[in-house]
Amino acid sequence: GQNIDQPTEMTATEGAIVQINCTYQTSGFNGLFWYQQHAGEAPTFLSYNVLDGLEEKGRFSSFLSRSKGYSYLLLKELQMKDSASYLCAVRDAYSGAGSYQLTFGKGTKLSVIP
Amino acid sequence: GAGVSQSPRYKVAKRGQDVALRCDPISGHVSLFWYQQALGQGPEFLTYFQNEAQLDKSGLPSDRFFAERPEGSVSTLKIQRTQQEDSAVYLCASSLVGGISYEQYFGPGTRLTVT
Repeated sequence: GQNIDQPTEMTATEGAIVQINCTYQTSGFNGLFWYQQHAGEAPTFLSYNVLDGLEEKGRFSSFLSRSKGYSYLLLKELQMKDSASYLCAVRDAYSGAGSYQLTFGKGTKLSVIP
Repeated sequence: GAGVSQSPRYKVAKRGQDVALRCDPISGHVSLFWYQQALGQGPEFLTYFQNEAQLDKSGLPSDRFFAERPEGSVSTLKIQRTQQEDSAVYLCASSLVGGISYEQYFGPGTRLTVT
């Protein structure tokens, strides 16, 4: 099984940088995803890490350390529209049953203030 | 292009009623997942289809929950004799098998309220 922890809420100022941490304990690992979810909307894909290191995509970057069971999502030049929940999700190692289910954390609600 | 669509978007059911929730995945996506998201929580896995085959239903909370995908495209999640604890948003996601990251694309969800 998987256990995924991330902070419940964070607040940051428009234009600033914020780092959202995620730690996981897993019986298997085949990648870590970050999703953004605005209230009442579908989660949308932000990033994917399967190897250690930093993946950068515009204002968003994601880091993974498999040995530490740790990831973070870094958001730069924060905008008001970045106010949303950010979900960390781990994909199990392939089970042979063809299932690539994701196990999600509870999400971090980010509020961006002027 | 069209994304994942779900219907209805909102459903109110009286306790004990049966409900059916529909998911239209992205055309050509082989894999389809159902998740349940309670208020303030992350999505929790319910079941997985590869084409028409239901390969994993380990997340279904009880035998009142049933899912099908008879022709390998549209899927229906059925909940029989709904209970208040079934109130949640039900998310459907689809993905390409064989893609580099197996990214899952989510639909907008169906918000089920059981009264």
